[in-house]
Amino acid sequence: GAVVSQHPSWVICKSGTSVKIECRSLDFQATTMFWYRQFPKQSLMLMATSNEGSKATYEQGVEKDKFLINHASLTLSTLTVTSAHPEDSSFYICSARDPGGYYEQYFGPGTRLTVT
Amino acid sequence: GDSVTQMEGPVTLSEEAFLTINCTYTATGYPSLFWYVQYPGEGLQLLLKATKADDKGSNKGFEATYRKETTSFHLEKGSVQVSDSAVYFCALRGNNAGNMLTFGGGTRLMVKP
Repeated sequence: GAVVSQHPSWVICKSGTSVKIECRSLDFQATTMFWYRQFPKQSLMLMATSNEGSKATYEQGVEKDKFLINHASLTLSTLTVTSAHPEDSSFYICSARDPGGYYEQYFGPGTRLTVT
Repeated sequence: GDSVTQMEGPVTLSEEAFLTINCTYTATGYPSLFWYVQYPGEGLQLLLKATKADDKGSNKGFEATYRKETTSFHLEKGSVQVSDSAVYFCALRGNNAGNMLTFGGGTRLMVKP
């Protein structure tokens, strides 16, 4: 089946620094990727839709200047958390949509971010 | 808008017990329905899906039937194992422009030996 990877799987950073998370579709080309945020024991919250070659579409309430998304190729999208604060600590999950398979979404394993 | 409601957990069962996790939805048109499973510290894995009314999705002993008349997609398994302990998410993909998924709140299942 389709595989989506994320890197890093976990990261600890200090307040005020920026962190980049990569999401890759390994065996298919994804024109669309999604970024989700998940708080402990809660469901996934869609943050933004990332479209290859164009600007991301952010959900209401998500700061686009804080969560920078770049989808520069058909297999890679990145999420950069800028000027991180402890409240940004969370589990970030990406998914990639396979246009060849009924637009199925395949999820990455997630990245746990801890901001100290 | 589209929404998914699933039973709150945690659900605690003994090994080999019967499992039901209820899921109901609200959507216009004819959505596709999904169950995802999330093991501790991991991302989501597609467990099963159904794309039209009366379809039954099945995988690894889990089943769910798309019931349009009751707008439900309940997850069942006849005999759970300790390894089934995880969080289960019901989701739908409606007819929105982006074909985005709408998730339920998740149900944590704990299976005791």
